[in-house]
Amino acid sequence: DAGVIQSPRHEVTEMGQEVTLRCKPISGHNSLFWYRQTMMRGLELLIYFNNNVPIDDSGMPEDRFSAKMPNASFSTLKIQPSEPRDSAVYFCASTRPASGSGNEQFFGPGTRLTVL
Amino acid sequence: GEDVEQSLFLSVREGDSSVINCTYTDSSSTYLYWYKQEPGAGLRLLTYIFSNMDMKQDQRLTVLLNKKDKHLSLRIADTQTGDSAIYFCAESFTTDSWGKLQFGAGTQVVVTP
Repeated sequence: DAGVIQSPRHEVTEMGQEVTLRCKPISGHNSLFWYRQTMMRGLELLIYFNNNVPIDDSGMPEDRFSAKMPNASFSTLKIQPSEPRDSAVYFCASTRPASGSGNEQFFGPGTRLTVL
Repeated sequence: GEDVEQSLFLSVREGDSSVINCTYTDSSSTYLYWYKQEPGAGLRLLTYIFSNMDMKQDQRLTVLLNKKDKHLSLRIADTQTGDSAIYFCAESFTTDSWGKLQFGAGTQVVVTP
């Protein structure tokens, strides 16, 4: 398996622009998580889905952030409009709950977002 | 504040043992995890322990679990420069059946020659 795939790996954009981050989970995993990592705030859980349904979006910082999971193999995280304080590394992770190692989450390589 | 607490930084000399400590909150957590994050990469599961165990050894790694004190530790024997990374402690939630984990802030381990 290719693991969790994220695109793009790097994104540089200007303030006010729309940004869309993409994630393809591991096949057979039915839970998907979006995280944000910064030096100041560490690793934050933004939102997670189970069977394509959002379970908890309480970590989404503002209405500028939205996430979708139209099918089991694809999810997007959108920021509109983007602001410099959104600059961070965004990770997607997937899991198949209660598998052999419990809830082991598999992380993608991340998207490094820079908003100028 | 963080539900899972870790010290933020550890410096260790190559060849020495490293010990990273973590305290967690959910006494009924089923699994506890250690993840490793190398520069420019995502988190990767290093090891985990089931809550009915108090120790797990895997090559240079030893995990100790003290359920009474809700304390988890990771010992790395013969620390190498390749062990320089951020290490995250995480616990599962018994009230969550969708795979959510609570991560600590991470401990930056720097291995010096």
